[in-house]
Amino acid sequence: GAGVSQSPSNKVTEKGKDVELRCDPISGHTALYWYRQSLGQGLEFLIYFQGNSAPDKSGLPSDRFSAERTGGSVSTLTIQRTQQEDSAVYLCASSPLAGDGGEQYFGPGTRLTVT
Amino acid sequence: AQRVTQPEKLLSVFKGAPVELKCNYSYSGSPELFWYVQYSRQRLQLLLRHISRESIKGFTADLNKGETSFHLKKPFAQEEDSAMYYCALSGLDTGRRALTFGSGTRLQVQP
Repeated sequence: GAGVSQSPSNKVTEKGKDVELRCDPISGHTALYWYRQSLGQGLEFLIYFQGNSAPDKSGLPSDRFSAERTGGSVSTLTIQRTQQEDSAVYLCASSPLAGDGGEQYFGPGTRLTVT
Repeated sequence: AQRVTQPEKLLSVFKGAPVELKCNYSYSGSPELFWYVQYSRQRLQLLLRHISRESIKGFTADLNKGETSFHLKKPFAQEEDSAMYYCALSGLDTGRRALTFGSGTRLQVQP
């Protein structure tokens, strides 16, 4: 079946603008994760959704970052008033059962460039 | 706090040579350790996890709790092993399953 998909694949935006990044997880996967991959910072956790539970937002770097997951499926990561340091590849991953702690399936990422 | 350290940014070996990619971790609870791999122009994917104790593509990794290490090994490297390798950790004893990644090691296998 189809894997995790993300859109857009590339996004160039001006400093100060808001951006929305979308993630479509694998159908039936209850857990969804957002990570950021940037030069010098490696891969860092941003936010995690598990079913209907409150999301774990402990990795969000500032209050300019927010995410939602509608209907337990599609997720949107929003960055308000983008800054140059937000430039990175944003990765989404999903897994069947969070409690299993097993394999996370990653999307291709969205490359965000803030000019 | 949990932390994963991969001390080598780049490891270059010749085809047929043994490979060891180092990974050390810091975690006060019960960890689950993973190796993820990213081949050129492909997405990040799971290579192996310590719980399954499998050998994937000839790679093995043993969790050493005494040394807090989870080094990835392969006795004979192949050119197709060239990729970026990430060691990652999650807490088995917590409900938080998000991964903490190391900074990654690029493996180059030369012909």
